[in-house]
Amino acid sequence: GAVVSQHPSWVICKSGTSVKIECRSLDFQATTMFWYRQFPKQSLMLMATSNEGSKATYEQGVEKDKFLINHASLTLSTLTVTSAHPEDSSFYICSSPSGGGETQYFGPGTRLLVL
Amino acid sequence: QKEVEQDPGPLSVPEGAIVSLNCTYSNSAFQYFMWYRQYSRKGPELLMYTYSSGNKEDGRFTAQVDKSSKYISLFIRDSQPSDSATYLCAMSVGETSGSRLTFGEGTQLTVNP
Repeated sequence: GAVVSQHPSWVICKSGTSVKIECRSLDFQATTMFWYRQFPKQSLMLMATSNEGSKATYEQGVEKDKFLINHASLTLSTLTVTSAHPEDSSFYICSSPSGGGETQYFGPGTRLLVL
Repeated sequence: QKEVEQDPGPLSVPEGAIVSLNCTYSNSAFQYFMWYRQYSRKGPELLMYTYSSGNKEDGRFTAQVDKSSKYISLFIRDSQPSDSATYLCAMSVGETSGSRLTFGEGTQLTVNP
């Protein structure tokens, strides 16, 4: 399957600061990246869909000014959590569709802890 | 009502047991069905992917889809402690790139040595 990497794998930050998470497709070109958030013992919640060269599409209830997504190249999408608060502490995971688009390959995830 | 229902468990079995994991769904537009395995603090890993009703086997894993009943299953034979993880079912309506996945809640499985 396709390889997707994320960086950093975990981050601790102070409340009010911004955190950037990178998602890279290592062996393929990803025109689309999905960003998910996962709270402990819960399933994945889709936050937004990013498309290379265009604005991201956010799910209902997700603040686009708080969760900034940039997909400037075919191998890199970034999620910036702006003015992070403790309630933003979560596991953030990106994924990219397979070549045929019928399934998705996930990155290893980034654990964010906001103090 | 959730589009995809999955018993969250936890499910605990002895090593060597046959494990059955199940999901039901309500949206008849779902055409593609997947099972992901997620270890603690890791991203989900694709285990099985099926399209049509019927069975698909890969090693110790068998995925079963019954579209008429809107029911999918994952069977794990000769379960191992390394199979201990959360198993997520996922579905999508189409194969166009960017097709959204709808996930079940995930079933936490523990295989005891």
